[in-house]
Amino acid sequence: AQKITQTQPGMFVQEKEAVTLDCTYDTSDQSYGLFWYKQPSSGEMIFLIYQGSYDEQNATEGRYSLNFQKARKSANLVISASQLGDSAMYFCAMRPINDYKLSFGAGTTVTVRA
Amino acid sequence: ETGVTQTPRHLVMGMTNKKSLKCEQHLGHNAMYWYKQSAKKPLELMFVYSLEERVENNSVPSRFSPECPNSSHLFLHLHTLQPEDSALYLCASSQGTRGVAYNEQFFGPGTRLTVL
Repeated sequence: AQKITQTQPGMFVQEKEAVTLDCTYDTSDQSYGLFWYKQPSSGEMIFLIYQGSYDEQNATEGRYSLNFQKARKSANLVISASQLGDSAMYFCAMRPINDYKLSFGAGTTVTVRA
Repeated sequence: ETGVTQTPRHLVMGMTNKKSLKCEQHLGHNAMYWYKQSAKKPLELMFVYSLEERVENNSVPSRFSPECPNSSHLFLHLHTLQPEDSALYLCASSQGTRGVAYNEQFFGPGTRLTVL
């Protein structure tokens, strides 16, 4: 079974600053994918970024980057130049390549202050 | 319509009612999912349908019954629910399930269910 841990229930960040959201995972699988999703108050889950376990470089997608440390089983999300619209719940998720199940962490609420 | 759509967006029902949630994906995907999101709990996968298989979470009560008539439509039939079933129900779709390194799941906006 996979376990995803997000230790920060809530964070405040000033507009235009960067914020790092922590995510650690526990799995015995060698091949897996890591995902980050954003959930605004409207409820929809929005895909942000993906990292494969065999990818040598950290994934980046616009203002989002993933700090992947495989040995530590860590996949932190960095949001640069925060905007007011970034205020939302952020979920880390993992799926072993040979499994159907996407396991989610408990989420981190980010509030961006003007 | 684009992406993944869900209807209704909000539903209030009594414990003796029977209702159905509908999900439709316009992405050409071949796998669809139902998730339950309760307050202060991680998302819980309820059901998966794909070309290869239907997979159920054995902890899901039988009062939830999925139906997938084709690769674009997914239903969740509800009957004799309990107040603790009140939650946000999210539908998602993806291209493939097992053995695919990258198969991002696209989510719908969810149905906010309240059971009285």
